[in-house]
Amino acid sequence: DAGVIQSPRHEVTEMGQEVTLRCKPISGHDYLFWYRQTMMRGLELLIYFNNNVPIDDSGMPEDRFSAKMPNASFSTLKIQPSEPRDSAVYFCASSGTENTGELFFGEGSRLTVL
Amino acid sequence: GENVEQHPSTLSVQEGDSAVIKCTYSDSASNYFPWYKQELGKGPQLIIDIRSNVGEKKDQRIAVTLNKTAKHFSLHITETQPEDSAVYFCAASREDYKLSFGAGTTVTVRA
Repeated sequence: DAGVIQSPRHEVTEMGQEVTLRCKPISGHDYLFWYRQTMMRGLELLIYFNNNVPIDDSGMPEDRFSAKMPNASFSTLKIQPSEPRDSAVYFCASSGTENTGELFFGEGSRLTVL
Repeated sequence: GENVEQHPSTLSVQEGDSAVIKCTYSDSASNYFPWYKQELGKGPQLIIDIRSNVGEKKDQRIAVTLNKTAKHFSLHITETQPEDSAVYFCAASREDYKLSFGAGTTVTVRA
């Protein structure tokens, strides 16, 4: 398996623009997570899904952020409108119940909002 | 919610020496404690984990110890090698999937 695939790897945009980050989890995994990593706040869980259903979105910073999982093989994290403080590396991770908790992370999407 | 503190933030060791990273957690109900390694430009990768019914676990050169009474756990790397240079994160959870991560330790192994 290719692992968790994220796109784009790098995104530079201007304040106010919409940003969409994409994730393809490992086939067969039924959990999907979105994390944000910054120097100041470390790794923060934004939202996670089980069987395509959002279970906990308490980490989503504000209404500008939204996440969807229309099917088992695809998820998006959208920021609209983007702000400079959203600059971070966004990681998607997936896990299956047979893995007893191990998260498999993608390589991340580095977002810079000017 | 769970609060995980990790020390030190940076650690430099001579190749062949041991490295120890310590974490404390706040939620006494936490029962799952994984450690992740993150190399430059990559996502974190699980290297070892421990559950609350076990005090110590070892896998080749890495080991983790857990003290539930004191609410702290540690990662030990013996015979360090250059490829051990990375950022290491501890985490804690009362459910396997909702992890709270420590701030990370940047380990540098000097040749």
